[in-house]
Amino acid sequence: KNEVEQSPQNLTAQEGEFITINCSYSVGISALHWLQQHPGGGIVSLFMLSSGKKKHGRLIATINIQEKHSSLHITASHPRDSAVYICAVRMNRDDKIIFGKGTRLHILP
Amino acid sequence: NAGVMQNPRHLVRRRGQEARLRCSPMKGHSHVYWYRQLPEEGLKFMVYLQKENIIDESGMPKERFSAEFPKEGPSILRIQQVVRGDSAAYFCASSPGRVEAFFGQGTRLTVV
Repeated sequence: KNEVEQSPQNLTAQEGEFITINCSYSVGISALHWLQQHPGGGIVSLFMLSSGKKKHGRLIATINIQEKHSSLHITASHPRDSAVYICAVRMNRDDKIIFGKGTRLHILP
Repeated sequence: NAGVMQNPRHLVRRRGQEARLRCSPMKGHSHVYWYRQLPEEGLKFMVYLQKENIIDESGMPKERFSAEFPKEGPSILRIQQVVRGDSAAYFCASSPGRVEAFFGQGTRLTVV
């Protein structure tokens, strides 16, 4: 079992829909990252969380440390949000960052 | 403050040649991480360096791969005698310590 699990693996939605992507982890962490990777490959760091909730524009990220779970929400989704969203955690035991396999999001116009 | 800069963005090498990938961390960052993303796979940790020190290279293949982060200049990931299986996207991230890591745009290596 992977130490970082994301769901769903693939998600197709209509423009305007509210999107939720989930991330569960099984290790002790000091921080959790949400990353965005567009076709063509570059990675953009969206959020770094260690507790609570953060909001940036139409993006919201939450984390529940007790339940070892984080969610990334996109409100009023748009075709330009189409990308792979990756959850990554920094492990307490050795400071390494490990990654989920990503969620491929496709927003239809 | 420029972000993490990787170059080149795209690199084509013939089998048996050497590939050198560069990563300039953000100003003030002394921690560099290298990751590899094979086609259709997730990112995998390769090596963690601080200035002039390799802290953890547990994700590095045992042969042909090496990394350095000198006192001056960028971090270098070096792949000797490349093979087709080395074709991947290589990303680096930097951080000032045990805090947020910032990612570069990656170098896409193609071995022909």
